[in-house]
Amino acid sequence: DAGVTQSPTHLIKTRGQHVTLRCSPISGHKSVSWYQQVLGQGPQFIFQYYEKEERGRGNFPDRFSARQFPNYSSELNVNALLLGDSALYLCASSFRTSGGADTQYFGPGTRLTVL
Amino acid sequence: EDQVTQSPEALRLQEGESSSLNCSYTVSGLRGLFWYRQDPGKGPEFLFTLYSAGEEKEKERLKATLTKKESFLHITAPKPEDSATYLCAVCTSYGKLTFGQGTILTVHP
Repeated sequence: DAGVTQSPTHLIKTRGQHVTLRCSPISGHKSVSWYQQVLGQGPQFIFQYYEKEERGRGNFPDRFSARQFPNYSSELNVNALLLGDSALYLCASSFRTSGGADTQYFGPGTRLTVL
Repeated sequence: EDQVTQSPEALRLQEGESSSLNCSYTVSGLRGLFWYRQDPGKGPEFLFTLYSAGEEKEKERLKATLTKKESFLHITAPKPEDSATYLCAVCTSYGKLTFGQGTILTVHP
């Protein structure tokens, strides 16, 4: 079975531009979460979506937004890019949102470089 | 605020030299603790989930344990292919994972 897929693999943007990152979850998984990982640190939670609704938001500015589509795929949008947005953006999927703690399976990530 | 601290930051072992990685956490209401392995430039790969103090899980040369304040990842007779960054994360609500900074493990042949 295919795992979590993300596109694009790499992306180079300049300050002030907008970027859209895409994620397809594991078949049958209804929850998608987004994380930002800066070099040398652990991933930081950005958003979680379940059944097309936002279920959680991390401590990120309003320049970051996301949505989930009827097929459970998801997009992460970042406006007005800053140099500090350069990072590995990770998408993770799980079968459901957490009442318990479902295992989240991560995709390969999108490496965003802001110049 | 949930906090996760991993130690050591980096660990160098000789092939076959067993050791342990530590994950200390301060949370309000632990729903689960996760261990992941991450190779450079790749996404984290799931290893274990632990839900309650006293629980243990094993997979090949790895064994994870959980107490009320910390978790250990024991590596028995490691091989060079075990070299990676090992990440610990806690889940306290709606599936949000809070990660530690990771332990970089290098196993020399």
